[in-house]
Amino acid sequence: KAGVTQTPRYLIKTRGQQVTLSCSPISGHRSVSWYQQTPGQGLQFLFEYFSETQRNKGNFPGRFSGRQFSNSRSEMNVSTLELGDSALYLCASSLGGRMNEQFFGPGTRLTVL
Amino acid sequence: DAKTTQPNSMESNEEEPVHLPCNHSTISGTDYIHWYRQLPSQGPEYVIHGLTSNVNNRMASLAIAEDRKSSTLILHRATLRDAAVYYCMGSGGGSQGNLIFGKGTKLSVKP
Repeated sequence: KAGVTQTPRYLIKTRGQQVTLSCSPISGHRSVSWYQQTPGQGLQFLFEYFSETQRNKGNFPGRFSGRQFSNSRSEMNVSTLELGDSALYLCASSLGGRMNEQFFGPGTRLTVL
Repeated sequence: DAKTTQPNSMESNEEEPVHLPCNHSTISGTDYIHWYRQLPSQGPEYVIHGLTSNVNNRMASLAIAEDRKSSTLILHRATLRDAAVYYCMGSGGGSQGNLIFGKGTKLSVKP
């Protein structure tokens, strides 16, 4: 069974730009969650989608948004990038949600200059 | 403030048991306690999770305090491959299922 894939793996943007990251979950998994990981703040929950609906949301500004498609693939978008958005963005999929075992992808490393 | 706290680092000798503690004082009554570990340049990997009673699987055991405000991940015989950052995840309370990861414990295993 293929694991969770994330594209691109690395990305460099400048302040003010926007970025879209993509996540393909494990086949059959309907829940996709996004996390931001930084050395200072650690792993922080962004949001969770289940069957195309946002089910939970963390404490991030509205510049961070996401969506999920009918095939369970998910994208997250960050608009008006700031230097502090530089981080590893991780996607995780699971069968029933974050209360179940989550399978993480390798992440997308975003650098904002 | 919702908090999930863990020691920054721990050391163990190979083949010895390791007890990794976590405090999740604001966990709600219905949220599970999860543990993940992360190797360098990889995404986190699931280790174990539980609700109220102790749990065992092929990787580890999870001991949950009676009041659920703390838990301990137990690696029965540490190997060099167990060297990683271990994260526990508990609820931040509220109605949004705000699960909060601790900052992680970096486990070093000495041969």
